[in-house]
Amino acid sequence: EVQLVQSGAEVKKPGESLKISCKGSGYSFTSYWIGWVRQMPGKGLEWMGIIYPGDSDTRYSPSFQGQVTISADKSISTAYLQWSSLKASDTAMYYCARKGIAAAGNYFDYWGQGTLVTVSS
Amino acid sequence: QSALTQPASVSGSPGQSITISCTGTSSDVGGYNYVSWYQQHPGKAPKLMIYDVSNRPSGVSNRFSGSKSGNTASLTISGLQAEDEADYYCSSYTSSSTPYVFGTGTKVTVL
Repeated sequence: EVQLVQSGAEVKKPGESLKISCKGSGYSFTSYWIGWVRQMPGKGLEWMGIIYPGDSDTRYSPSFQGQVTISADKSISTAYLQWSSLKASDTAMYYCARKGIAAAGNYFDYWGQGTLVTVSS
Repeated sequence: QSALTQPASVSGSPGQSITISCTGTSSDVGGYNYVSWYQQHPGKAPKLMIYDVSNRPSGVSNRFSGSKSGNTASLTISGLQAEDEADYYCSSYTSSSTPYVFGTGTKVTVL
């Protein structure tokens, strides 16, 4: 069974750093892209970026380029999303999702349960 | 890259059919057959309902169908049921640097 399991909720102060995780299981982790999606409170879904764990090829949405870092450790089948200096506006639910197989699989078929990040002084 | 445009809300009575539109440009919806649709219940992760414009993943009810004409894609839910009440988002591959974009989201209410 394919599963993406994300790390637990976080409460941080502005200026702090944070790294959240997404562990894949039940499939070949290095063969599928993993994307990250932000959902601010009461708002819609926003694409942040995507990584191919096989070679760590990473693409970012222009809105998030330079604001976050996406990485992966294929030895433990885990993708990461990190911030070096959080802002209150980073408060949101963050989802990881697996992209369909191959270049033509332009959809996201499995999703993590989400990680709620709260940034407040 | 701007979000794809969806109506904020659509409603229908049980048993009826409803259609949600998703309007983009020739750089996304109109340029590729890579439109997907996601259902999100409150407090839950999104769920893939339709991919590649009109394909249903295994396990998704055949009451859900997708289509596309020009720069506008559509999701139709037939035989509306109470459990269909949720938010729905379209998404498309795009030739911009993103490389994916979501729609603004549509809240479906079953009256």
